[in-house]
Amino acid sequence: KQEVTQIPAALSVPEGENLVLNCSFTDSAIYNLQWFRQDPGKGLTSLLLIQSSQREQTSGRLNASLDKSSGRSTLYIAASQPGDSATYLCAVSGFQKLVFGTGTRLLVSP
Amino acid sequence: EAGVAQSPRYKIIEKRQSVAFWCNPISGHATLYWYQQILGQGPKLLIQFQNNGVVDDSQLPKDRFSAERLKGVDSTLKIQPAKLEDSAVYLCASEGGGPTEAFFGQGTRLTVV
Repeated sequence: KQEVTQIPAALSVPEGENLVLNCSFTDSAIYNLQWFRQDPGKGLTSLLLIQSSQREQTSGRLNASLDKSSGRSTLYIAASQPGDSATYLCAVSGFQKLVFGTGTRLLVSP
Repeated sequence: EAGVAQSPRYKIIEKRQSVAFWCNPISGHATLYWYQQILGQGPKLLIQFQNNGVVDDSQLPKDRFSAERLKGVDSTLKIQPAKLEDSAVYLCASEGGGPTEAFFGQGTRLTVV
């Protein structure tokens, strides 16, 4: 059974800092890994999708890496802004399933 | 391109009442998921459809929850009777053919009092 863990559970940083969010999964037989953002009371917004054959994906200030053999992914946020404050969730897609971690709650203060 | 549509956005009911949620996935997406997200937790899969067939409903409390996907397009999730612990956000998501990028709706926030 796939289990996904995210560390840290919560993170508070001043504006401008670079930061790393971690995601680990127990079963390396995945098709892809997806990072989502969730604002309070809202649904999930897809940020980045990494296929199992890829090592990383970049979108603007966001960079996600994937090490399938060690069961790890990181989401790097450069030059954080208050608007980045949200909960970040990673999810792995195995055989026809999308399994989520518990999320990292990020607060970026001005 | 229209996203995943869900309704209602919010619902408050008393325990033991019934409630239904509706989801319209992105056009052409074969896979549809219903997730339950309790406050402070990650989303938990309730049921997965591939077209109009059920792929996985192992975590669906079948004594009170039911779901269907009409003609492989829209889907409804029903709870009858509701319990206090069913208070959560119910998220619907859809995917194109195969394990591709999943897109989520805004969710329905259910409060059972």
